[in-house]
Amino acid sequence: ETGVTQSPTHLIKTRGQQVTLRCSSQSGHNTVSWYQQALGQGPQFIFQYYREEENGRGNFPPRFSGLQFPNYSSELNVNALELDDSALYLCASRRQIQETQYFGPGTRLLVL
Amino acid sequence: KQEVTQIPAALSVPEGENLVLNCSFTDSAIYNLQWFRQDPGKGLTSLLLIQSSQREQTSGRLNASLDKSSGRSTLYIAASQPGDSATYLCAVRGRTDSWGKLQFGAGTQVVVTP
Repeated sequence: ETGVTQSPTHLIKTRGQQVTLRCSSQSGHNTVSWYQQALGQGPQFIFQYYREEENGRGNFPPRFSGLQFPNYSSELNVNALELDDSALYLCASRRQIQETQYFGPGTRLLVL
Repeated sequence: KQEVTQIPAALSVPEGENLVLNCSFTDSAIYNLQWFRQDPGKGLTSLLLIQSSQREQTSGRLNASLDKSSGRSTLYIAASQPGDSATYLCAVRGRTDSWGKLQFGAGTQVVVTP
């Protein structure tokens, strides 16, 4: 079984730009969640996708959007980047009926 | 609104000592509680998951207890080793939350010195 992978590992953007982060789920997992982790804080839930539909969202503005593809890979898109968007972005995948989530290594985003 | 707190924020112990990490939450209407480990710059690894109906879970040197009524969980790591150095996070899933939504504490950073 391959693990959860994310790309890129690091990214630097400037304020106002747009960014796309990618996640490849673990084999057999049909649900993916995205989290934002600011330095020194715990991860915060952004949203979850199941069968290509968003079915749960945290307290994040609409400029945070996502996609899940038929092969269960996923993207997180952030428009109009702000300095506070600088964080580690984690994706986690699981089978729908399982509680245990498997996290990827994350993408570290720096907004200047 | 659920608040998850972990105290202390950092902890340093000599090798061989037992570790006791605390987690508290304000809303007892949880579905389960999980403990994760995070190594610097890395993702999270699930250590233990306790369902709301359970009192504790054990895996090797790790034991986690849950007292839902008082809003507390404790992670015990026996006979600590330098390889246990990491940040430990607890997370709860609320009864009305979607399956993937976990609410995390800020973590306890642990250093085990040889």
